Amino acid sequence: AQSVTQPDIHITVSEGASLELRCNYSYGATPYLFWYVQSPGQGLQLLLKYFSGDTLVQGIKGFEAEFKRSQSSFNLRKPSVHWSDAAEYFCAVGSYGNQFYFGTGTSLTVIP
Amino acid sequence: NAGVTQTPKFQVLKTGQSMTLQCAQDMNHEYMSWYRQDPGMGLRLIHYSVGAGITDQGEVPNGYNVSRSTTEDFPLRLLSAAPSQTSVYFCASSYSASGSTDTQYFGPGTRLTVL
Repeated sequence: AQSVTQPDIHITVSEGASLELRCNYSYGATPYLFWYVQSPGQGLQLLLKYFSGDTLVQGIKGFEAEFKRSQSSFNLRKPSVHWSDAAEYFCAVGSYGNQFYFGTGTSLTVIP
Repeated sequence: NAGVTQTPKFQVLKTGQSMTLQCAQDMNHEYMSWYRQDPGMGLRLIHYSVGAGITDQGEVPNGYNVSRSTTEDFPLRLLSAAPSQTSVYFCASSYSASGSTDTQYFGPGTRLTVL
């Protein structure tokens, strides 16, 4: 069965610092991987996705993620965090079986 | 385009009551889905549809019914509400019928409380 693990429930970073959010997945075949962001009281918005090809994927708002098959990971990074990045971040995996699994999320706090 | 819309935004039910959460999209998307979001559990797929007249179960379908008579609408029905169904519900859609491999667009959510 597919599963997604986000080991960090909550992360606090200073504005301007770099950020890395961890995501590990379990899936037998090549996964379709996604990162979504949820601002308080809002729905989810896609940051980026990986299907195939270049393992370093660029997304919106300056985010990027790297797919590492050997580590079953798809970590999200940003070189310099802005206060507006404070939100909850979800990693997700999908498959052609039309099942879709989200991780439990990482809540990001940005301090001035 | 309005995107994905959900009504109502908030709802309080008593145990045993029934209700329908509405979801509509105006993007002519084939795939539509319902998720529930609970603290510490992320989002879990309830039901999905790959086109009008076609629905299937997700990870947590018990207690919920869906139908899809048009491309635009995908209502979620709670037949007999239980406190365990207290949650935030999100509807999503994607262009491809293989929605789980495509970008999904989410509605703003419905916060449901069952007393």
